[in-house]
Amino acid sequence: GAVVSQHPSWVICKSGTSVKIECRSLDFQATTMFWYRQFPKQSLMLMATSNEGSKATYEQGVEKDKFLINHASLTLSTLTVTSAHPEDSSFYICSAPGLAGVTDTQYFGPGTRLTVL
Amino acid sequence: QKEVEQNSGPLSVPEGAIASLNCTYSDRGSQSFFWYRQYSGKSPELIMSIYSNGDKEDGRFTAQLNKASQYVSLLIRDSQPSDSATYLCAVNAGGYNKLIFGAGTRLAVHP
Repeated sequence: GAVVSQHPSWVICKSGTSVKIECRSLDFQATTMFWYRQFPKQSLMLMATSNEGSKATYEQGVEKDKFLINHASLTLSTLTVTSAHPEDSSFYICSAPGLAGVTDTQYFGPGTRLTVL
Repeated sequence: QKEVEQNSGPLSVPEGAIASLNCTYSDRGSQSFFWYRQYSGKSPELIMSIYSNGDKEDGRFTAQLNKASQYVSLLIRDSQPSDSATYLCAVNAGGYNKLIFGAGTRLAVHP
C-alpha cells in the first residue's frame, strides 16, 4: 500500500519558536494532503487541506497565519507552527488520498508529537 | 455542521467474543464510510471501507451500512487482546477525500 512519512516523529520546543513538520508521500504523488490535529483522548480534527501549487484551505477556527502550510511538490507538504505556545502541544498527523480512480482511501503518516514548553 | 457520533466506551469484551461498534452520521449526502483502528500514540490505520448498503466482510471484520438510518457499524468476531484499541468511524464529507471523524470508541478485549 501507499506510504506516507512524517518528520520529525517528535519535537520539543520553547514557547515562541516556530516548528516545521514535513509530510511526504513516498511511492505516489499527492496533489492533495490533509493535516489533522489530535489532542489526548480526543479524535482527529481536520485542520486544513494542502493543495499542490495553490493555497491551502483551512477549516473554520484554524488560524492560517499561525499554521502555515506549503505544498511545494507532488510528494511534500509542510506544516509550520509559528510562535508556538503550550496550547499548541498536540499530535499532528498528515494524510494523503490513494490513487484516483482506484480507491479513495486515505493513507496516514505516523504522526508528529509536538510539545511546547 | 456535519457530525459523526460514536459511543466513547470503553467497550469491554472477553477474548473470543463479538465486539460491536456503532456510528451515526448527520450528512445524508455522505457516500464513503471508513473504520480506522488507532493504538495509543500511533496514527490511524484503515480497517474497512464501505460504500453500499448492506454488509461487507473482511476476515474477522464486518462493516454494515444503512444509509436510510444514517448508521454504520463494525463487528469484530473472535476478538483478540491485540484488537484492544480505539476505533474511529470516518465519513467522507464532500470534496476529494475530506473525512470527518467520530470521537472514537475504546475497545478493551480481556483474556
